[in-house]
Amino acid sequence: DTGVSQNPRHKITKRGQNVTFRCDPISEHNRLYWYRQTLGQGPEFLTYFQNEAQLEKSRLLSDRFSAERPKGSFSTLEIQRTEQGDSAMYLCASSKQGTDTQYFGPGTRLTVL
Amino acid sequence: QQQVKQSPQSLIVQKGGISIINCAYENTAFDYFPWYQQFPGKGPALLIAIRPDVSEKKEGRFTISFNKSAKQFSLHIMDSQPGDSATYFCAPEGSNYKLTFGKGTLLTVNP
Repeated sequence: DTGVSQNPRHKITKRGQNVTFRCDPISEHNRLYWYRQTLGQGPEFLTYFQNEAQLEKSRLLSDRFSAERPKGSFSTLEIQRTEQGDSAMYLCASSKQGTDTQYFGPGTRLTVL
Repeated sequence: QQQVKQSPQSLIVQKGGISIINCAYENTAFDYFPWYQQFPGKGPALLIAIRPDVSEKKEGRFTISFNKSAKQFSLHIMDSQPGDSATYFCAPEGSNYKLTFGKGTLLTVNP
C-alpha cells in the first residue's frame, strides 16, 4: 500500500531562487490538493485539481506560485523568486471522487535563507 | 476572518483521562466535519469524521459530538494514552472539497 509521496522532503534555498516540489498521489485518486502549513498553524488550502484540471486556487497562491498536474497523475508546485515568507511545510493530499477523506503526504519543508 | 476557531490551544491530561477539544465554525455551507491527527514531521491523518445528519459518532475511544444549531463540534478521546500525544485539527469541508483547518490543539498525555 503506497500512500501519498512527496519529494524532496526538505529543501533549503536562497531568497530569489526557484524551487519545485513533486507530489505523487495514491493511485486511482483523481483529486489532488496542495496546502501550506507554517509553524504552529493549521494547514491552509492553496489549490486543488480534479484529474488534470486545476479547479480552484486560493488567493494565498500569488503569481510566483504555479501548480500543474499534466497527466492527471503526479503534480508539481513551483515557487519562483522565493521569499523568506515562503518558508513553510508544503503538504499534498489526494482523494478519490465520491469520497471525502483526503490522505496527506509527509510534506516538503522549505527553508528560504 | 477566522472561519474555524479551535480550543484549547494546548491540553495536558493524565493517562486514562478524557481529552476534549472543541471547534466552532461560521460557514453554514460546511457539510463534512473531520478531525485530523498530526505527529511531528508527518502529514495530518484523518482520525474521525461526521456528517451533519447525525449528532454523534463513536469509533473506538474517539467520539465526535456535533451541534448544528450552535455551529460547533467536539472531539472526545476516552482513556487517553501517551501515544495519543499529538496535534489535533478540526477541518470542516464544504462542497468545494477544501478543508478549512483550525489552528490546532497540542495534546500531551502524561504516563
